[in-house]
Amino acid sequence: GQQVMQIPQYQHVQEGEDFTTYCNSSTTLSNIQWYKQRPGGHPVFLIQLVKSGEVKKQKRLTFQFGEAKKNSSLHITATQTTDVGTYFCAAQSGSARQLTFGSGTQLTVLP
Amino acid sequence: DAGVIQSPRHEVTEMGQEVTLRCKPISGHNSLFWYRQTMMRGLELLIYFNNNVPIDDSGMPEDRFSAKMPNASFSTLKIQPSEPRDSAVYFCASGPGTGAPLHFGNGTRLTVT
Repeated sequence: GQQVMQIPQYQHVQEGEDFTTYCNSSTTLSNIQWYKQRPGGHPVFLIQLVKSGEVKKQKRLTFQFGEAKKNSSLHITATQTTDVGTYFCAAQSGSARQLTFGSGTQLTVLP
Repeated sequence: DAGVIQSPRHEVTEMGQEVTLRCKPISGHNSLFWYRQTMMRGLELLIYFNNNVPIDDSGMPEDRFSAKMPNASFSTLKIQPSEPRDSAVYFCASGPGTGAPLHFGNGTRLTVT
């Protein structure tokens, strides 16, 4: 089945530093979504990317979809303690009807 | 909109007992998903329904697991008999269509002793 690799698994940053997590697929994706899960919480949808090379921003968060639609990244500028949590990508390829979640990147922000 | 509602929030049971987890999706959503989350295996898709029909149950670990969706507003995930390795957080999620963003419930934390 479809696999989505997400790196890094863990990231510790000092508050104010930037953070990036990456997702890679061996197959071309029809769309990719990003979710955030706070400690003890449930995944919450952040954004969906569908176009090749698409870039979307939400305040300090920047999401990119690769030109080949096989990879994506989430970048957080100047992290804050409220950014703490696990960030998941979830991908769908043309033949699959469901999303495949990456393994997640657990972000710790040190004050 | 109350969101996806799951019950119970926590379940502690002894191995061998039957466990039933419940989910009420968001009204109007025609896709429903059951996920299991553990530290070791991350988020695993167990089964998903489209218009109340099971589409893919290949993620169901074994015959001890079964899921039903008798109508558009209710689904259950049953484990019988339960085993300690079933301990995990079980999430239900619903969505308005194939590939659409998912709305997750708060999850059921299951502990089997």
